Amino acid sequence: SQQGEEDPQALSIQEGENATMNCSYKTSINNLQWYRQNSGRGLVHLILIRSNEREKHSGRLRVTLDTSKKSSSLLITASRAADTASYFCATAPNTGANSKLTFGKGITLSVRP
Amino acid sequence: NAGVTQTPKFQVLKTGQSMTLQCAQDMNHEYMSWYRQDPGMGLRLIHYSVGAGITDQGEVPNGYNVSRSTTEDFPLRLLSAAPSQTSVYFCASSYLQGHTEAFFGQGTRLTVV
Repeated sequence: SQQGEEDPQALSIQEGENATMNCSYKTSINNLQWYRQNSGRGLVHLILIRSNEREKHSGRLRVTLDTSKKSSSLLITASRAADTASYFCATAPNTGANSKLTFGKGITLSVRP
Repeated sequence: NAGVTQTPKFQVLKTGQSMTLQCAQDMNHEYMSWYRQDPGMGLRLIHYSVGAGITDQGEVPNGYNVSRSTTEDFPLRLLSAAPSQTSVYFCASSYLQGHTEAFFGQGTRLTVV
């Protein structure tokens, strides 16, 4: 069963705009991860944020985590056409050394040139 | 450094046929897993392995078999293919599952007719 639920399901923006995607989850986590999938390709890891972190940056990406609300957001600033892809959040529960990653259904982002 | 390599990329099977999807990684990761991706369903875990000789079931294991005789290889066997197994299959590996990033292969698109 899906632990992470992304919102919205689809997002269409103009190049240069910011894109904000949200993920909510149900149970206590060790960390939350965001992945990108280009059409017809495998998933690529973007960023990992641990449960004791509130915000993390990587280039044009900014991820926040609110454990009290069980939610995370991924912000892509100054979007480019190349950012067009599906984005998935994945959660790892607080269950020890090897925690199974559970993925959401994904958000389809379209960036119009 | 090839990362995670899956073969074949595409496959068409007839109902009842069997086949093996190959997955190999060259990063010396202990943890490997198989997911299937269906439209609107996200990624669902089929089987996983925490090291050579150790495998376990994920969320949707029925109709699939795995073995892990070496650290590098984690093949997925379809015992008797069914149309419901039409999907895109991804293999992933990580150093410490749930605590570090997962690396994905490019996927195998399987159609069962």
